[in-house]
Amino acid sequence: GESVGLHLPTLSVQEGDNSIINCAYSNSASDYFIWYKQESGKGPQFIIDIRSNMDKRQGQRVTVLLNKTVKHLSLQIAATQPGDSAVYFCAENAPSGTYKYIFGTGTRLKVLA
Amino acid sequence: ETGVTQSPTHLIKTRGQQVTLRCSSQSGHNTVSWYQQALGQGPQFIFQYYREEENGRGNFPPRFSGLQFPNYSSELNVNALELDDSALYLCASSLGGRNEKLFFGSGTQLSVL
Repeated sequence: GESVGLHLPTLSVQEGDNSIINCAYSNSASDYFIWYKQESGKGPQFIIDIRSNMDKRQGQRVTVLLNKTVKHLSLQIAATQPGDSAVYFCAENAPSGTYKYIFGTGTRLKVLA
Repeated sequence: ETGVTQSPTHLIKTRGQQVTLRCSSQSGHNTVSWYQQALGQGPQFIFQYYREEENGRGNFPPRFSGLQFPNYSSELNVNALELDDSALYLCASSLGGRNEKLFFGSGTQLSVL
């Protein structure tokens, strides 16, 4: 059954199109960011990370963009596939001295066939 | 390489009871973090263990406690359960250090009645 995100913001994308998922982070001192994908009934799965000394990082079919000026992250998924349907979370490391990550509220991506 | 495993997968308890959740870390990882994920929200940091000691704690009351064992596995204990403790409890392992990727297990779904 559904275990994550009954009332999350939802992005619906046609299969084959590109997806862009946005995230506003909270702390200007955060210097490391991660995107996670969470499918129903599973734990978050690492997708891609970026450090604050970079503006852009690319992986396989995914790109993360970081805009420190406005504290904004985005995750771009190229040629979106049905298997990309999930809830996506951004996470920022907490200020120095702690070891926690602060997660956003998540965005549900629905891929339409 | 063995991933993060958690047990049990599902658990039903009544208010006032106590619960113990278990986690085996990914091979090679010496740090374990616990997160609580309420329905429709992102994971919230509970605490982290490194070398068998608590290494950071989130905004959770003392009735949430934990242990880490010499083999880096970990337990999360919750006493005097409340209805609001109903959530998905996620364990994540990582290498020691601040900006390290977290690798999550599939979680334990706890329902408190």
